[in-house]
Amino acid sequence: KAGVTQTPRYLIKTRGQQVTLSCSPISGHRSVSWYQQTPGQGLQFLFEYFSETQRNKGNFPGRFSGRQFSNSRSEMNVSTLELGDSALYLCASSLGPADTQYFGPGTRLTVL
Amino acid sequence: QQQVKQSPQSLIVQKGGISIINCAYENTAFDYFPWYQQFPGKGPALLIAIRPDVSEKKEGRFTISFNKSAKQFSLHIMDSQPGDSATYFCAASGRDTGGFKTIFGAGTRLFVKA
Repeated sequence: KAGVTQTPRYLIKTRGQQVTLSCSPISGHRSVSWYQQTPGQGLQFLFEYFSETQRNKGNFPGRFSGRQFSNSRSEMNVSTLELGDSALYLCASSLGPADTQYFGPGTRLTVL
Repeated sequence: QQQVKQSPQSLIVQKGGISIINCAYENTAFDYFPWYQQFPGKGPALLIAIRPDVSEKKEGRFTISFNKSAKQFSLHIMDSQPGDSATYFCAASGRDTGGFKTIFGAGTRLFVKA
């Protein structure tokens, strides 16, 4: 069974731009969570989607948004990029909200 | 906000030694405690997990010890190898206000000296 895939793997943007990251969960998984990882900050929870509905949201500004499609694939969008948004963005999928999360390789976003 | 406190932040162990990482959680409703291993440039990978109905779970060189009354759990890596050098995250998940949640510890960077 294929794992969680994230595209693109690397991205370079400039301040003020917006970016869209994509996540394809493991087949059969209906829950997708997004995390931001920066050096020394661990895994910061962004949001979780299940059956196309946002179930939980972390403490991030409204510039960070996401959605989930009927095939469980998910996208997250960051608008008006800031230098501090440079991070590894990880997607994790699970069968349901209470199940084990499996992570993708992440998208490395660099904001110049 | 519910937290999972993980210590130490970093750890250096000699090859063949025992690596011990500790975590403490707050929400007694949490009922699933996984550990993840992350190598540079990769996403975290599930290493081993435990539920509170047992006090210990062993898989190869990796053991989770769980103390429900103290709300603490730890990862022990026996016979640590240089290939174990990575960042380790503990997590706690279960029902919380607003639904099911998984909360991660801040991570421990392990370096095993050859």
